[in-house]
Amino acid sequence: EIVLTQSPATLSLSPGERATLSCRASQSVSNYLAWYQQKPGQAPRLLIYDASSRATGIPARFSGSGSGTDFTLTISSLEPEDFAVFYCQQRYNWPLTFGGGTKVEIK
Amino acid sequence: EVQLVESGGGLVQPGGSLRLSCAASEFTFSSYWMSWVRQAPGKGLEWVANIKQDGSAKYYVDSVKGRFTISRDNAENSLYLQMNSLRVEDTAVYYCARGSAVAGTIFDFWGQGTLVTVSS
Repeated sequence: EIVLTQSPATLSLSPGERATLSCRASQSVSNYLAWYQQKPGQAPRLLIYDASSRATGIPARFSGSGSGTDFTLTISSLEPEDFAVFYCQQRYNWPLTFGGGTKVEIK
Repeated sequence: EVQLVESGGGLVQPGGSLRLSCAASEFTFSSYWMSWVRQAPGKGLEWVANIKQDGSAKYYVDSVKGRFTISRDNAENSLYLQMNSLRVEDTAVYYCARGSAVAGTIFDFWGQGTLVTVSS
């Protein structure tokens, strides 16, 4: 099973600041990595797939990068609605696995 | 807009059974992989199972193999999860998720979830 480790666990930032979230895989997942955002009481929402492709309707301030074992989700300038928990997910191997999440909270 | 509506959750005793349903609308259900993903209270996401468009391929996480069965009825635009021999650790919100057109293992739309509580 591929283990995804996300860091940091919590990121405290102010609106307008840049957020950089990390996801590290226990073995290479090529570029088969997705990012999801989840707000309290809501279902997750797909942001990025295949490491760097934005999903339909996702603002350009969200970007993804990386390949192999190290991936980054960047939010260029945080909007008030961006504060949430973010999860990465690999689809390179069965079972599909998610990282433990990074909570982006208002400082 | 794609809609996925789960139902069937509730309180069940350990060892019991439950059948979850997911009603899909506003897209051609028979053209997409579908999945179940769960989230224990206060915890992260865990993929549970998925099923190919025609039901010919199914995959499960090890912890539910032999106990859970995923199925679909394309005529009814519905996805199911039959859960037997339930354990306390199966307690979670269960989400129905659609596999994207790019790959069935990318979850592009999610339902709002149904809560399953396994407790005596």
